[in-house]
Amino acid sequence: SQQGEEDPQALSIQEGENATMNCSYKTSINNLQWYRQNSGRGLVHLILIRSNEREKHSGRLRVTLDTSKKSSSLLITASRAADTASYFCATDGYRGAQKLVFGQGTRLTINP
Amino acid sequence: IAGITQAPTSQILAAGRRMTLRCTQDMRHNAMYWYRQDLGLGLRLIHYSNTAGTTGKGEVPDGYSVSRANTDDFPLTLASAVPSQTSVYFCASSDGMGDEQFFGPGTRLTVL
Repeated sequence: SQQGEEDPQALSIQEGENATMNCSYKTSINNLQWYRQNSGRGLVHLILIRSNEREKHSGRLRVTLDTSKKSSSLLITASRAADTASYFCATDGYRGAQKLVFGQGTRLTINP
Repeated sequence: IAGITQAPTSQILAAGRRMTLRCTQDMRHNAMYWYRQDLGLGLRLIHYSNTAGTTGKGEVPDGYSVSRANTDDFPLTLASAVPSQTSVYFCASSDGMGDEQFFGPGTRLTVL
């Protein structure tokens, strides 16, 4: 069973636009992480946000966390063709363990 | 070796055969993980290891076994492969449980 679920499942935008992906989870967490996966490749860590943080930035990435709503969002600003990938959120704390549980991902396509 | 490697890259296997997927990391990470990724199901944890000498079951452990004789290596064995084990397998490592994970490039396994 999935702890985190991303929304939307797929997103297609024009280059230069902003992309927003959302993640909802069910139980208390210690931290939430976002990963990117290019087609046919392994996942790459993007950003980690702890449960006592509300917002975090890394370059063109902005992550927010609302623990009261058990949700997080990933914003990619000024999108580029190279941002085309699947994006996954991962949460720990599921069933009291620190193992990460991944959502099913959002497939992002940036059109030139 | 730089980071985390997996072998083989891909494999076609007859049902009933034994197969070991190899994973090696050179980052001296304590924790290592095996996931399988299936379309529509995201990544699911098979087995994990907090530190050398210890292993634990993930979400989908049946039909798989692991060992962690040393820090660097974490092989995954399918004792008697079945077609439902057709998947892409990813190995990952992290400094501690719940920390940022580093992923290998994956092994694409087809069981006929």
